[in-house]
Amino acid sequence: DAGVIQSPRHEVTEMGQEVTLRCKPISGHNSLFWYRQTMMRGLELLIYFNNNVPIDDSGMPEDRFSAKMPNASFSTLKIQPSEPRDSAVYFCASSRTSGSYNEQFFGPGTRLTVL
Amino acid sequence: AQKVTQAQTEISVVEKEDVTLDCVYETRDTTYYLFWYKQPPSGELVFLIRRNSFDEQNEISGRYSWNFQKSTSSFNFTITASQVVDSAVYFCALSEDNYGQNFVFGPGTRLSVLP
Repeated sequence: DAGVIQSPRHEVTEMGQEVTLRCKPISGHNSLFWYRQTMMRGLELLIYFNNNVPIDDSGMPEDRFSAKMPNASFSTLKIQPSEPRDSAVYFCASSRTSGSYNEQFFGPGTRLTVL
Repeated sequence: AQKVTQAQTEISVVEKEDVTLDCVYETRDTTYYLFWYKQPPSGELVFLIRRNSFDEQNEISGRYSWNFQKSTSSFNFTITASQVVDSAVYFCALSEDNYGQNFVFGPGTRLSVLP
């Protein structure tokens, strides 16, 4: 079984540009999570979806951030316009959320650098 | 609100030593889930173990063992006969949600195993 797939693995962009991060969850998983990891703040949950529906987006830092999940096998996290303080590693994770089987499996992350 | 504390920011040991990583959690719920993840230098987050609040049995998996004690709200992780490949940041996490959707991660403990 393939794990969570994220693209791109690395992104370098200039301030003000739009950035789109992509995620393909593990097949059969019904929950998807976007996290941001920085040295200062550690791992922060940005938003999560259950059955393609956004459940909690309280972690999204600003209106510049938006996330979509048009179907069970694809999600995007968009930053528009990007700022240098958005530089971080962004992780996507998925889980089955069925009874006790609720551990999250993480993708390799996208390292974003905004100049 | 739920909270996870990992008081040890960094630990260094020499190969073959045993090492214990501490995790203390706070929750008001009687049903909750605890997790450990490993983040090696390559950056991905690897799921290690899940434990629910009703199961206080300790678990052993090879050189890894976990000690769950509800009385002290702790879920400690011990690596026996540590190896250089164990060098990583280890995160403890807590979910109060039956479906594991609301994860809170601890700040992590950076373990360095020296040859």
